Amino acid sequence: QLQVQESGPGLVKPSETLSLTCTVSGGSISSRSYYWGWIRQFPGKGLEWIGTTHYSGSTYYNSSLKSRVTISVDTSKNKFSLKLKSVTAADTAVYYCASYVKWDPPYVWGQGTVVTVSS
Amino acid sequence: DIQMTQSPSSLSASVGDRVTITCRASQDIKNDLGWYQQKPGKAPKRLIYAASSLQNGVPSRFSGSGSGTEFTLTISSLQPEDFATYYCLHHNSDLALTFGGGTKVEIK
Repeated sequence: QLQVQESGPGLVKPSETLSLTCTVSGGSISSRSYYWGWIRQFPGKGLEWIGTTHYSGSTYYNSSLKSRVTISVDTSKNKFSLKLKSVTAADTAVYYCASYVKWDPPYVWGQGTVVTVSS
Repeated sequence: DIQMTQSPSSLSASVGDRVTITCRASQDIKNDLGWYQQKPGKAPKRLIYAASSLQNGVPSRFSGSGSGTEFTLTISSLQPEDFATYYCLHHNSDLALTFGGGTKVEIK
């Protein structure tokens, strides 16, 4: 069954770039029907969609983060990645990757990875 | 942008109670809505999709209803394992996701 798993540094310094990877297992990231997204959850528990990609290279970003976010897919490694530049303490959150199809909300989620922005 | 307003933000209930959580959209979203349950330290778990379709494996005491701008998640008889935080989530054709603010269900 399809699974996704986040990985990356748990601590990032202010003004630097946050980089996370999501590894897909139990299925192919090149499946035409699936989209691959990043979602974060703030310490106060609110959830925010960051952006989504497709194996074709299409990307969709939250307009509030668009200037700082890049999401890319590596079909050879069955992974997709998130880069968020110029981070501040406000970017401290649990970051989740997830998969979904266009007509349904996400079903498969990773376990989440805590990222703290601090010097 | 569409806003999702969820209420109440928290509630206290007893085992066996019927619990209702509401989510309102700032404009018509048809039935493009899911409901999720989240327990501490875990990822959200999908309970309902397409506003009223029960996810496989989810107990039938959970149900969703509504369309357009008003949606409801009902737990017909609250069980001890149901104490958690619940979120509504709107998804659109551009793949954007918008979450409600969450409802924490606590033991009375």
